[in-house]
Parts: sequence; structure tokens; C-alpha cells
Amino acid sequence: EAAVTQSPRNKVAVTGGKVTLSCNQTNNHNNMYWYRQDTGHGLRLIHYSYGAGSTEKGDIPDGYKASRPSQENFSLILELATPSQTSVYFCASAGTHSDYTFGSGTRLLVI
Amino acid sequence: GDQVEQSPSALSLHEGTSSALRCNFTTTTRSVQWFRQNSRGSLINLFYLASGTKENGRLKSAFDSKELYSTLHIRDAQLEDSGTYFCAAEGTGGYKVVFGSGTRLLVSP
Repeated sequence: EAAVTQSPRNKVAVTGGKVTLSCNQTNNHNNMYWYRQDTGHGLRLIHYSYGAGSTEKGDIPDGYKASRPSQENFSLILELATPSQTSVYFCASAGTHSDYTFGSGTRLLVI
Repeated sequence: GDQVEQSPSALSLHEGTSSALRCNFTTTTRSVQWFRQNSRGSLINLFYLASGTKENGRLKSAFDSKELYSTLHIRDAQLEDSGTYFCAAEGTGGYKVVFGSGTRLLVSP
């Protein structure tokens, strides 16, 4: 079954540390996205990708990097984590716009 | 301001009643998607519309690209309809969508 899988499901990180969130999709979709969800803000786009090797800045890219080494994998990297990056992070993939599929989310706590 | 204005922010319904959620767009919108987020946090794609209306069971959505709004009608609400509903607008600038802030729906007996 086609799916978007995120890991880890939960993460506690220390301020200043490096955090990598991983996303794998078996949908064979070209487009992948990273969002964060905070109360009162809905989902906000951090980075996205049109395909292997490409990354694009979304609406709130500061403090984040992204990597798309293959069609299936898209990572979000926090080089120097800060408490303001405590959030729930969602990865999604899409081929055509009608098949936007989300992962189950990663809860990140930066202390 | 935000590209997508979603209302109401919260809604309570009794089982069997009906209501509508709305999203207004402040810029040209090529398409809209509607999602439901359940209590576990999972986001489920309900509808994608580039124009017109779509219906799926007790849910019906409409999109008016000229008047810049979309609606999601819930008919005969059931307990399992509870959750947070998001609309997401696709602009003209590429393959990304902008989400509204969501409507928290609680259906009670």
C-alpha cells in the first residue's frame, strides 16, 4: 500500500543540537513537502521538492534545511535546534494535486 | 494578511444536524483541497477541486474561483465527523498549497 512514513514519531532534542527528520514515500510522487503545525497557525510550509536533487524554500524556511537524495526520501534538518522549533512536523507527497498524502507526523520537543 | 481565511474556527453540532464550513481566498486560487485531521493527528484528504462541486456521502464541497471561496457542507453529522477540518489553496506560483487555520468540529449525541 502506498504510504508516507515519517521517523521518528517523537523526538526530544537539546537546544543547539542537530536534528534530522526523515520521510519516505512509496507513492512514486515527484513532489514532497515539509510542514509544521502549531496551534493557531494551521500547517505552514517549510521546504518542498519537485524531485530528487531539488529543494525549494517554503513560507518559513529559516532555521531549516532540506535534502532530497532520491525520489522516495526527503529529510528536514535542524542544524542548531531552538525551543521555538518545538512543534509537530508533517511530511506529504503529491503527484497530481488530487493525491496529497500526509505522513503521521513527528512530535519534536526542543529543551 | 493570510491567503486563506477559514471560518468558523470552532463548531459544535448535534448528531443528525447539518452545517457548512467556509474558506475565503485573498489571491487567485487555482484549486482547493479539504482535509480532516482526526484525534490521532492523521490528515485525510477529503476533496480536491479545481472548479464546481464534488460530493462524497454526507460531505459536499464547492469551489468558486471567481468569487474566491470554497465551502464544505456536512449533512446529517455523525460522531465520527469530529475533528479539525482544513482547507488548502493552490496559488499560481507552483506546486505548493497554503493551509487555513482550521475548523475544530465537535459532534455530540
